[in-house]
Amino acid sequence: SQTIHQWPATLVQPVGSPLSLECTVEGTSNPNLYWYRQAAGRGLQLLFYSVGIGQISSEVPQNLSASRPQDRQFILSSKKLLLSDSGFYLCAWTRDTEAFFGQGTRLTVV
Amino acid sequence: AQSVTQLDSQVPVFEEAPVELRCNYSSSVSVYLFWYVQYPNQGLQLLLKYLSGSTLVKGINGFEAEFNKSQTSFHLRKPSVHISDTAEYFCAVTLLTQGGSEKLVFGKGTKLTVNP
Repeated sequence: SQTIHQWPATLVQPVGSPLSLECTVEGTSNPNLYWYRQAAGRGLQLLFYSVGIGQISSEVPQNLSASRPQDRQFILSSKKLLLSDSGFYLCAWTRDTEAFFGQGTRLTVV
Repeated sequence: AQSVTQLDSQVPVFEEAPVELRCNYSSSVSVYLFWYVQYPNQGLQLLLKYLSGSTLVKGINGFEAEFNKSQTSFHLRKPSVHISDTAEYFCAVTLLTQGGSEKLVFGKGTKLTVNP
C-alpha cells in the first residue's frame, strides 16, 4: 500500500533561521508531488508541485523553495524564515486522479 | 486563469437541515473534480470525485455532488446534516498544465457548522 511520511509534525523556528521539511512517499513510483500551505481563511494554497526528479514548478513568489532529489522525496526549504512563513504545511502526492496527504507540519516562526 | 472558487467561507445550518456548499471552477480544458473534508485537528479525507460519466456523484457520509459543465460548477449537497458533519470542506480541481502534466488546485474552503 502507498504511504506518505512528512516530518516534523511541529516546528518552532526563529526569524532568519533556515528551514527544511521533508516528505517521502512509499509504495508507488513517479508520483506527482505537492507542497501546500494551509492558513486560516485562505484554504490550501499550492506552493510547489513536481512531476519528476528535479522538475519543480512554483505557484507563488515567496521566501520558500522546493527540491526533488529522488523520485519519492520532496523537500521544502528556506534560507531565512520570515514571520509570515508561519502556517500549516502539507505534502501530498497524486497518481491518476486521487491525492494523498501527509499529516502536515505546523511551523511557527518566532 | 484557472482557479477554484468556493463562494461561501462559512455555512451555519441546523441539524437535519439540507445543505449545499458551492464550488465553481474556471477552466477551458477537461478537469477532474473533488471534494475533500477536514475534520477539526485532522488531515484531509476524500469525500467524492468526478472523473467522467454520470454527472451526479455519490460520496461517503451521505454527500453527493453534481457536475454541471455549462455552469462550471460542482456543488456539494447533503439532504440532512448531522452535528458530526461540522468540518471544513474543500473543493479541488486537477488541471492540465501547458506542459501536459497535471496539478491539483484547491478552493479556499467552506466551514460548515451544524448546530443542534
